[in-house]
This record gives sequence, C-alpha cells and structure tokens, in this order.
Amino acid sequence: DARVTQTPRHKVTEMGQEVTMRCQPILGHNTVFWYRQTMMQGLELLAYFRNRAPLDDSGMPKDRFSAEMPDATLATLKIQPSEPRDSAVYFCASDPGLAGTDTQYFGPGTRLTVL
Amino acid sequence: DAKTTQPTSMDCAEGRAANLPCNHSTISGNEYVYWYRQIHSQGPQYIIHGLKNNETNEMASLIITEDRKSSTLILPHATLRDTAVYYCIVRKLGGQGGSEKLVFGKGTKLTVNP
Repeated sequence: DARVTQTPRHKVTEMGQEVTMRCQPILGHNTVFWYRQTMMQGLELLAYFRNRAPLDDSGMPKDRFSAEMPDATLATLKIQPSEPRDSAVYFCASDPGLAGTDTQYFGPGTRLTVL
Repeated sequence: DAKTTQPTSMDCAEGRAANLPCNHSTISGNEYVYWYRQIHSQGPQYIIHGLKNNETNEMASLIITEDRKSSTLILPHATLRDTAVYYCIVRKLGGQGGSEKLVFGKGTKLTVNP
C-alpha cells in the first residue's frame, strides 16, 4: 500500500532555530505539494512542484521558508529562522500526474511547535 | 475557483446514511466538485469527485443537482470511523501532467454517534 511519508512526525524547537521537514512522495508521482494547517487559517497551500520544478510558491513566506526537491523521491521544506507563528501541522501530498484523475494523496503531517 | 458553502457541523447515527450538503452557486462549466475528508490528526483523504453526473465509489456517492449549484455527499452506512471534517472543493481538472492546488474551506465536522 503506497503512501506518502513525512519525517519527523513531531518537532519541538526554539525560536530562531532551523527546521527541516522531509517528504517522500509515492513512487512515480510527479507532483508534490506542501500545505500548512493551523486552527486560525485552516489548510493552506505553501508550494508545489511538478517533475521537481517549482510551479507555485506564492503561499510561502520567502524570507524564511524554502522548498526544494533534490530528487524525485525527496521533497524538503526548511524554515530558517523559525518563529512561534510557524507552529502548525505541515502536510505533504503527491499526485500521480495522470490526466483526468487529479487525486492528491496526503502524508501524515509534521507537527511543528516553535517555542 | 468557485466558492463553496457547507454547514459547520452535522451529526449522524451509526449505521444510518450521512448526507452532507454543499452549495456552489458560482460554479462554472468546467469546474468539478471534489470531496476530501480529514480524520482527526491525519492528512486529508480523497473521497470522490464529479462534474455533472452522479458518481459512486466504494466510499461514497455524490449527487450533483441538474443546475450544478449544489451537491450532496452520501455515506450510505456511516460508522464511527467516518467521524471527520468533510471538505467540498470546486476546481478545474488539472491538465495532463498533474493536478493543481486544492483550496480548502472550513468544511463540515461530521460526528457519527453510536
């Protein structure tokens, strides 16, 4: 049963520290998304990639957030420096890229707490 | 993408059908209706989508009105594990190569009671 995996599942850090979250999309999926969920804002898109190229990162604070896909099996989301307002659950999702399906498969999320 | 309106919360008895409504009066002709759900502490899960015909899969049925301004997600025999937030999303189908972003609203919190 293919799944999107995310590490770490939980992260507690102090303000100002760098945070790196990792995502392994389902093998063969060509589109990868990063979403963030908070109580106040709900689920919102941060960035997404297709065939490892960034397509849209307009939802991401550029000064502190960066998203990359070093290879087809790994997507990373970095926050440097982290701030308490970054506390949220960060979800990665992947899509197989088959015309007419448009189904995104979500990982379990990384729960980030910035003190 | 068109905006959707859903009730904030609903209750359903275990074993009964759960009918979750969604209004999308500004939907355009090439926009689909998608449903995802999010069980507590998990990532969202795709349920079903449709354009104008009713759709059914192993999880649920989707009924879209003829004018396409509203739809209903039906869980035919709700179980306690169906307790979740259900999101109705209207969006264009992605072109060949992959889907586009999902814009989530507040959704409907469905509680299935024993």
